[in-house]
Amino acid sequence: AQKVTQAQTEISVVEKEDVTLDCVYETRDTTYYLFWYKQPPSGELVFLIRRNSFDEQNEISGRYSWNFQKSTSSFNFTITASQVVDSAVYFCALTPYPGGKLTFGQGTILTVHP
Amino acid sequence: GAVVSQHPSWVICKSGTSVKIECRSLDFQATTMFWYRQFPKQSLMLMATSNEGSKATYEQGVEKDKFLINHASLTLSTLTVTSAHPEDSSFYICSAREDRGLLGANVLTFGAGSRLTVL
Repeated sequence: AQKVTQAQTEISVVEKEDVTLDCVYETRDTTYYLFWYKQPPSGELVFLIRRNSFDEQNEISGRYSWNFQKSTSSFNFTITASQVVDSAVYFCALTPYPGGKLTFGQGTILTVHP
Repeated sequence: GAVVSQHPSWVICKSGTSVKIECRSLDFQATTMFWYRQFPKQSLMLMATSNEGSKATYEQGVEKDKFLINHASLTLSTLTVTSAHPEDSSFYICSAREDRGLLGANVLTFGAGSRLTVL
């Protein structure tokens, strides 16, 4: 069985602060894929990143960066210089193969105050 | 890029009525679609996997007769909530898998979701 844990239920920061969202996963599969999605108040899921289990390189995209640590089964997400528009619910998710059914974490509500 | 249209985006119905939600892949074919349910301030829970031309595969605890899924074409899957009750009020989200085959790894695209309120 697969499991994704996002221990932080809610995070509140002031604009321009850096913030890290934690994600820990459990799986018996040797190959798997990890995702981060953003869900703004409107409800739609916005894809942020996909990472496969055999690629542990960290990735940076603008203000976003991801730290994949296979040894600790973690896939953390950092937003640098946060902005009010970053306020949303962020989900970490896991699947054993591309396009497979996703197991989502509980989600972290991020609120960025001006 | 791939687009999945979900309709209606919101619906209010009376208790006891049935409601149909459509999930349509606009610019690609999707043999497989997934239906998720999300209660307020909670995570997305997979309800079922919809397979074109065959019966859907339901997750444990999801009532097949309550949540009817039909995937009659490669671009359309429908979820019908039968005899809806207030506890069925939720946000329903579909995702469609674009099978890229040799072109690359399969990709999931999500619809914008459908908010159901049962009075």
